[in-house]
Amino acid sequence: GNSVTQMEGPVTLSEEAFLTINCTYTATGYPSLFWYVQYPGEGLQLLLKATKADDKGSNKGFEATYRKETTSFHLEKGSVQVSDSAVYFCALSVIGTYKYIFGTGTRLKVLA
Amino acid sequence: NAGVTQTPKFQVLKTGQSMTLQCAQDMNHNSMYWYRQDPGMGLRLIYYSASEGTTDKGEVPNGYNVSRLNKREFSLRLESAAPSQTSVYFCASSPRTGAPSNSPLHFGNGTRLTVT
Repeated sequence: GNSVTQMEGPVTLSEEAFLTINCTYTATGYPSLFWYVQYPGEGLQLLLKATKADDKGSNKGFEATYRKETTSFHLEKGSVQVSDSAVYFCALSVIGTYKYIFGTGTRLKVLA
Repeated sequence: NAGVTQTPKFQVLKTGQSMTLQCAQDMNHNSMYWYRQDPGMGLRLIYYSASEGTTDKGEVPNGYNVSRLNKREFSLRLESAAPSQTSVYFCASSPRTGAPSNSPLHFGNGTRLTVT
């Protein structure tokens, strides 16, 4: 079946630290992959996406590369800010359907 | 741009009561979705509507019904609420018209429901 696995949080970092949030997936075919961010009290917002192998999605200093060989889509940022504190979700669109599957989310807390 | 609008933002129900969660989008999107968010479980798909006039079950449809009233509106109904339905409910929409698709979802701000 199709599934998304994210690293458990919370992840606590100091400002300007390097961030990695791991995401691996199981899917039939080559789905599109997404990272969403959720700030407190809000809905999810698209952060970045990649639609085929070796694509790199990027936005607001965040990056993720679609790795077919390791079925991974890890989120990275070189220098986090306090304002990056949020919950991050990895997701995929299921081939041949209209469904999207989400990971369990990883909470990031950045300390000043 | 309002995007996806959900009402109400908060609701408290007693076990056995019914209610309808409303969702409307103004982006002319074809597909609409209802998810629930629970701690440690991420987002789980309840129902979705690929286009006006169609609805399909997701992972956790039991205890819910939906109506795609028109292209803009997609409501979620709880006929007899149970404590296990305490959750945050999100409506989302997508412009996608087929599968596969690289179109992302656009989310509303959620409805926080408590069933006592």
